[in-house]
Amino acid sequence: GIQVEQSPPDLILQEGANSTLRCNFSDSVNNLQWFHQNPWGQLINLFYIPSGTKQNGRLSATTVATERYSLLYISSSQTTDSGVYFCAVGGTSGSRLTFGEGTQLTVNP
Amino acid sequence: KAGVTQTPRYLIKTRGQQVTLSCSPISGHRSVSWYQQTPGQGLQFLFEYFSETQRNKGNFPGRFSGRQFSNSRSEMNVSTLELGDSALYLCASSFSTYEQYFGPGTRLTVT
Repeated sequence: GIQVEQSPPDLILQEGANSTLRCNFSDSVNNLQWFHQNPWGQLINLFYIPSGTKQNGRLSATTVATERYSLLYISSSQTTDSGVYFCAVGGTSGSRLTFGEGTQLTVNP
Repeated sequence: KAGVTQTPRYLIKTRGQQVTLSCSPISGHRSVSWYQQTPGQGLQFLFEYFSETQRNKGNFPGRFSGRQFSNSRSEMNVSTLELGDSALYLCASSFSTYEQYFGPGTRLTVT
């Protein structure tokens, strides 16, 4: 099956700093999503981005499908951005998501 | 539109018992998928249902089963619970095959 690697595993920032999270995957994908897991465990959709670039406020994402990676950018980070960020991909059976191990982001005031 | 709902939110069971979890998808979504999250194994796919048929299955023992009803609501059942089944169980729904939306999860503790 598809392998998904996220880096870095942990990231500690000061409020206001920018960050880049990376997701590498091992095969062609029909689905790629970025999630933020809130403290109660719910996965919040950030981006559905199997290819191309999208922006939503301080967050943006780019997926280069031909090179099998995706990047999530967080600018001017806030303490509320803290939590775990997951990248998940789906192959030909796009409904079956394979998750990376996540990046634990801590933003200090 | 209401989001994906899961019931119950928290559950404590004893080894050997069985449990049923419920998931109601976003209105109009016909695909429902289930995932298990544990600290050791991360997020793992259990199975997916579409129009009352299991369309995809992960690598879990037969003690884990599910079904989907004609209104797209889904249930998953775990029989003969083991301590290792303690986990956060997440349900996701999608309109097409792709972008998925997750519910708040059911946190199951097996003692």
